[in-house]
Amino acid sequence: QSALTQPASVSGSPGQSITISCTGTSSDVGGYKYVSWYQQHPGKAPKLMIYEVNYRPSGVSNRFSGSKSGNTASLTISGLQAEDEADYYCSSYTSSSTLCVFGTGTKVTVL
Amino acid sequence: EVQLLESGGGLDQPGGSLRLSCAASGFTFSSYAMSWVRQAPGKGLEWVSLITNSGNTYYADSVKGRFTISRDNSKNTLYLQMNSLRVEDTAVYYCAKPKDDVAAGIDYWGQGTLVTVSS
Repeated sequence: QSALTQPASVSGSPGQSITISCTGTSSDVGGYKYVSWYQQHPGKAPKLMIYEVNYRPSGVSNRFSGSKSGNTASLTISGLQAEDEADYYCSSYTSSSTLCVFGTGTKVTVL
Repeated sequence: EVQLLESGGGLDQPGGSLRLSCAASGFTFSSYAMSWVRQAPGKGLEWVSLITNSGNTYYADSVKGRFTISRDNSKNTLYLQMNSLRVEDTAVYYCAKPKDDVAAGIDYWGQGTLVTVSS
């Protein structure tokens, strides 16, 4: 099972919106509603930001939103803030025996 | 408050064995699937294994046949037995609790325990 493909880095200025893509196949991203997004600051454990494509856990800012089209899922961060600078990972349920696959990760830089 | 506390990490040689433990609290442990996720130094997240509340197990291809996930509901503890360790198993190992629907994402993570495999 190969990792889902994400851009290595995305940057934006404070207040701007950025979008991170996550590309898989019909056996994972494209086949199921189970795409999640995680934020990870250096030296910290990941934090769930989006689950089931576009649902936000309690306490997560509504500046974070998710979507999916075909085999590609996306995370959009609007009103970019300095605290959003972190690594972001997507994950998906997969029909393979491995059950779950993560993306390659994207470093978000706030200029 | 949900808490996941990993232990058992350390340094071992290639071919060696280690057992990781994860003490869970703050939720009904026996009702939930549990998972292990790892992260090699400077690298991305890699899903390792999952055990359902009924004991069904799943593994990443990279650890299948070498790692065994198990749980002791009487002790609210999750385990990962790691045998035939390889240098590429070096990583921080996170204990993780999936949401109610095991496929829906991980809503709680431990702080991680570092496993280093080196001669």
